Amino acid sequence: SAVISQKPSRDICQRGTSLTIQCQVDSQVTMMFWYRQQPGQSLTLIATANQGSEATYESGFVIDKFPISRPNLTFSTLTVSNMSPEDSSIYLCSVEDGATNEKLFFGSGTQLSVL
Amino acid sequence: AQSVTQPDIHITVSEGASLELRCNYSYGATPYLFWYVQSPGQGLQLLLKYFSGDTLVQGIKGFEAEFKRSQSSFNLRKPSVHWSDAAEYFCAVGPNDYKLSFGAGTTVTVRA
Repeated sequence: SAVISQKPSRDICQRGTSLTIQCQVDSQVTMMFWYRQQPGQSLTLIATANQGSEATYESGFVIDKFPISRPNLTFSTLTVSNMSPEDSSIYLCSVEDGATNEKLFFGSGTQLSVL
Repeated sequence: AQSVTQPDIHITVSEGASLELRCNYSYGATPYLFWYVQSPGQGLQLLLKYFSGDTLVQGIKGFEAEFKRSQSSFNLRKPSVHWSDAAEYFCAVGPNDYKLSFGAGTTVTVRA
Protein backbone atom coordinates (compact mmCIF):
# COMPACT_ATOMS: atom_id res chain seq x y z
CA SER A 1 0.00 0.00 0.00
CA ALA A 2 1.03 3.60 -0.55
CA VAL A 3 2.88 5.45 2.20
CA ILE A 4 2.06 9.13 2.48
CA SER A 5 4.19 11.74 4.23
CA GLN A 6 2.59 15.06 4.97
CA LYS A 7 4.38 18.18 6.20
CA PRO A 8 3.99 20.01 8.44
CA SER A 9 2.08 17.80 10.84
CA ARG A 10 0.79 20.88 12.63
CA ASP A 11 1.22 24.62 12.55
CA ILE A 12 -0.07 27.73 14.20
CA CYS A 13 -0.38 30.69 11.85
CA GLN A 14 -1.36 34.32 11.98
CA ARG A 15 -4.41 35.68 10.26
CA GLY A 16 -3.70 36.93 6.74
CA THR A 17 -0.69 34.70 6.12
CA SER A 18 -0.46 31.64 3.87
CA LEU A 19 0.68 28.10 4.56
CA THR A 20 1.79 25.49 2.06
CA ILE A 21 1.25 21.85 2.96
CA GLN A 22 3.31 19.19 1.25
CA CYS A 23 2.27 15.65 0.43
CA GLN A 24 4.85 13.08 -0.65
CA VAL A 25 3.97 9.55 -1.72
CA ASP A 26 6.39 6.64 -1.92
CA SER A 27 5.01 5.46 -5.25
CA GLN A 28 3.67 7.02 -8.42
CA VAL A 29 -0.04 7.70 -8.29
CA THR A 30 -2.34 9.26 -10.85
CA MET A 31 -4.87 10.89 -8.57
CA MET A 32 -4.24 12.82 -5.38
CA PHE A 33 -6.93 14.43 -3.29
CA TRP A 34 -7.04 17.10 -0.64
CA TYR A 35 -9.63 16.90 2.14
CA ARG A 36 -10.45 19.23 5.01
CA GLN A 37 -11.73 18.16 8.41
CA GLN A 38 -13.06 21.11 10.37
CA PRO A 39 -13.33 20.79 14.15
CA GLY A 40 -16.19 18.50 15.08
CA GLN A 41 -17.17 17.99 11.47
CA SER A 42 -16.70 15.41 8.79
CA LEU A 43 -14.15 15.36 6.01
CA THR A 44 -14.88 17.44 2.96
CA LEU A 45 -13.20 17.02 -0.40
CA ILE A 46 -11.46 20.24 -1.46
CA ALA A 47 -10.05 19.23 -4.82
CA THR A 48 -8.62 16.50 -7.00
CA ALA A 49 -5.06 17.00 -8.25
CA ASN A 50 -3.92 15.12 -11.32
CA GLN A 51 -0.43 15.45 -12.66
CA GLY A 52 -0.19 17.57 -15.78
CA SER A 53 -3.52 19.32 -15.40
CA GLU A 54 -5.14 21.93 -13.23
CA ALA A 55 -6.78 20.77 -10.05
CA THR A 56 -10.51 20.22 -10.03
CA TYR A 57 -12.22 21.99 -7.14
CA GLU A 58 -15.39 20.97 -5.38
CA SER A 59 -18.26 23.33 -4.79
CA GLY A 60 -17.37 25.94 -2.22
CA PHE A 61 -13.62 25.82 -2.84
CA VAL A 62 -11.71 28.07 -5.23
CA ILE A 63 -8.21 28.11 -6.62
CA ASP A 64 -7.40 31.58 -5.30
CA LYS A 65 -7.97 30.41 -1.75
CA PHE A 66 -6.55 26.90 -2.08
CA PRO A 67 -3.98 26.80 -4.89
CA ILE A 68 -2.68 23.32 -5.57
CA SER A 69 0.42 22.13 -7.36
CA ARG A 70 1.06 18.68 -8.75
CA PRO A 71 4.49 18.77 -10.37
CA ASN A 72 4.95 15.01 -10.63
CA LEU A 73 3.35 11.68 -9.84
CA THR A 74 4.61 11.49 -6.24
CA PHE A 75 4.14 15.01 -4.88
CA SER A 76 1.53 17.68 -4.37
CA THR A 77 1.12 20.86 -2.36
CA LEU A 78 -1.93 22.65 -1.03
CA THR A 79 -1.66 26.29 -0.04
CA VAL A 80 -4.15 27.86 2.33
CA SER A 81 -4.06 31.53 1.38
CA ASN A 82 -4.89 34.65 3.35
CA MET A 83 -5.86 32.57 6.34
CA SER A 84 -8.59 33.37 8.82
CA PRO A 85 -9.60 31.51 11.99
CA GLU A 86 -12.30 29.73 9.98
CA ASP A 87 -9.51 27.92 8.11
CA SER A 88 -8.46 26.15 11.30
CA SER A 89 -8.84 22.50 10.34
CA ILE A 90 -7.04 19.29 9.67
CA TYR A 91 -5.99 19.10 6.05
CA LEU A 92 -5.54 15.60 4.68
CA CYS A 93 -3.81 14.42 1.56
CA SER A 94 -5.07 11.20 0.05
CA VAL A 95 -4.02 9.17 -2.94
CA GLU A 96 -5.51 6.49 -5.07
CA ASP A 97 -3.97 3.07 -5.34
CA GLY A 98 -5.69 1.20 -8.11
CA ALA A 99 -3.71 -1.93 -7.41
CA THR A 100 -5.35 -2.72 -4.10
CA ASN A 101 -8.86 -3.05 -2.72
CA GLU A 102 -8.24 -0.09 -0.43
CA LYS A 103 -8.28 2.39 -3.25
CA LEU A 104 -7.97 5.58 -1.22
CA PHE A 105 -5.12 6.09 1.24
CA PHE A 106 -4.93 8.99 3.63
CA GLY A 107 -1.99 10.76 5.16
CA SER A 108 -2.01 11.60 8.86
CA GLY A 109 -2.94 15.18 8.12
CA THR A 110 -1.82 18.70 8.93
CA GLN A 111 -3.48 20.30 11.92
CA LEU A 112 -3.72 24.03 11.26
CA SER A 113 -4.67 26.62 13.81
CA VAL A 114 -5.14 30.22 12.71
CA LEU A 115 -5.01 32.91 15.35
CA ALA B 1 -26.47 15.07 -3.92
CA GLN B 2 -24.88 12.53 -1.66
CA SER B 3 -24.82 12.77 2.12
CA VAL B 4 -24.18 10.64 5.16
CA THR B 5 -25.69 10.80 8.63
CA GLN B 6 -24.11 9.19 11.65
CA PRO B 7 -26.71 9.69 14.40
CA ASP B 8 -24.43 8.83 17.29
CA ILE B 9 -21.73 11.36 18.10
CA HIS B 10 -20.23 9.34 20.93
CA ILE B 11 -20.64 5.74 22.09
CA THR B 12 -19.14 4.16 25.18
CA VAL B 13 -18.87 0.40 25.31
CA SER B 14 -17.30 -2.07 27.72
CA GLU B 15 -14.41 -4.18 26.54
CA GLY B 16 -15.72 -7.49 25.28
CA ALA B 17 -19.19 -6.13 24.58
CA SER B 18 -20.68 -5.81 21.13
CA LEU B 19 -20.62 -2.58 19.16
CA GLU B 20 -22.92 -1.22 16.49
CA LEU B 21 -22.41 2.12 14.76
CA ARG B 22 -25.22 3.52 12.69
CA CYS B 23 -24.93 5.08 9.27
CA ASN B 24 -27.66 6.37 6.98
CA TYR B 25 -26.95 7.69 3.52
CA SER B 26 -28.63 9.60 0.76
CA TYR B 27 -27.59 8.81 -2.78
CA GLY B 28 -29.40 8.71 -6.10
CA ALA B 29 -27.85 5.60 -7.55
CA THR B 30 -26.08 2.50 -6.33
CA PRO B 31 -23.53 3.86 -3.94
CA TYR B 32 -20.06 2.89 -2.92
CA LEU B 33 -20.19 2.69 0.90
CA PHE B 34 -17.25 2.75 3.26
CA TRP B 35 -16.30 2.66 6.90
CA TYR B 36 -13.04 4.29 7.95
CA VAL B 37 -11.38 4.42 11.36
CA GLN B 38 -9.17 7.23 12.62
CA SER B 39 -7.05 6.69 15.68
CA PRO B 40 -5.55 9.71 17.46
CA GLY B 41 -2.74 11.25 15.41
CA GLN B 42 -3.26 8.76 12.60
CA GLY B 43 -4.67 8.99 9.12
CA LEU B 44 -7.87 7.27 8.13
CA GLN B 45 -7.78 3.54 7.60
CA LEU B 46 -10.32 1.67 5.54
CA LEU B 47 -12.20 -0.96 7.55
CA LEU B 48 -14.45 -2.20 4.77
CA LYS B 49 -16.40 -1.15 1.73
CA TYR B 50 -19.42 -2.22 -0.24
CA PHE B 51 -20.43 -1.73 -3.83
CA SER B 52 -22.26 -4.82 -4.91
CA GLY B 53 -22.74 -8.48 -4.08
CA ASP B 54 -23.29 -9.88 -0.63
CA THR B 55 -24.89 -7.23 1.53
CA LEU B 56 -22.98 -8.40 4.60
CA VAL B 57 -19.40 -7.22 4.22
CA GLN B 58 -16.49 -8.45 6.25
CA GLY B 59 -13.65 -6.07 7.02
CA ILE B 60 -10.43 -5.89 8.92
CA LYS B 61 -10.06 -6.05 12.70
CA GLY B 62 -13.16 -8.22 13.05
CA PHE B 63 -15.61 -5.60 11.80
CA GLU B 64 -18.56 -6.23 9.52
CA ALA B 65 -21.24 -4.04 7.99
CA GLU B 66 -24.61 -4.73 6.46
CA PHE B 67 -26.04 -2.81 3.52
CA LYS B 68 -29.81 -2.41 3.71
CA ARG B 69 -31.08 -0.64 0.62
CA SER B 70 -34.66 -0.36 1.93
CA GLN B 71 -33.41 1.52 4.99
CA SER B 72 -30.59 3.39 3.25
CA SER B 73 -28.33 2.14 5.99
CA PHE B 74 -24.86 0.70 6.29
CA ASN B 75 -24.34 -0.08 9.98
CA LEU B 76 -21.00 -1.26 11.31
CA ARG B 77 -20.76 -4.03 13.90
CA LYS B 78 -18.21 -5.86 15.95
CA PRO B 79 -19.19 -8.78 18.24
CA SER B 80 -16.55 -8.12 20.91
CA VAL B 81 -14.62 -4.87 21.18
CA HIS B 82 -11.04 -4.52 22.31
CA TRP B 83 -9.52 -1.50 24.02
CA SER B 84 -7.61 -0.80 20.79
CA ASP B 85 -10.93 -0.18 19.01
CA ALA B 86 -11.25 3.17 20.76
CA ALA B 87 -11.15 5.64 17.88
CA GLU B 88 -13.31 7.77 15.65
CA TYR B 89 -15.28 5.99 12.96
CA PHE B 90 -16.46 7.57 9.74
CA CYS B 91 -19.04 6.30 7.31
CA ALA B 92 -18.69 7.53 3.73
CA VAL B 93 -20.59 7.32 0.44
CA GLY B 94 -19.57 8.10 -3.09
CA PRO B 95 -19.98 7.36 -6.78
CA ASN B 96 -16.63 5.59 -6.81
CA ASP B 97 -13.71 4.81 -4.56
CA TYR B 98 -12.36 8.35 -4.49
CA LYS B 99 -14.88 11.20 -4.32
CA LEU B 100 -16.38 10.52 -0.95
CA SER B 101 -18.79 12.32 1.31
CA PHE B 102 -18.14 11.56 4.95
CA GLY B 103 -20.40 11.51 7.95
CA ALA B 104 -19.56 13.59 10.99
CA GLY B 105 -18.05 10.60 12.74
CA THR B 106 -18.76 8.56 15.84
CA THR B 107 -16.25 8.54 18.67
CA VAL B 108 -15.99 5.18 20.42
CA THR B 109 -14.73 4.96 23.96
CA VAL B 110 -13.93 1.53 25.39
CA ARG B 111 -14.04 1.11 29.14
CA ALA B 112 -12.26 -1.67 30.96
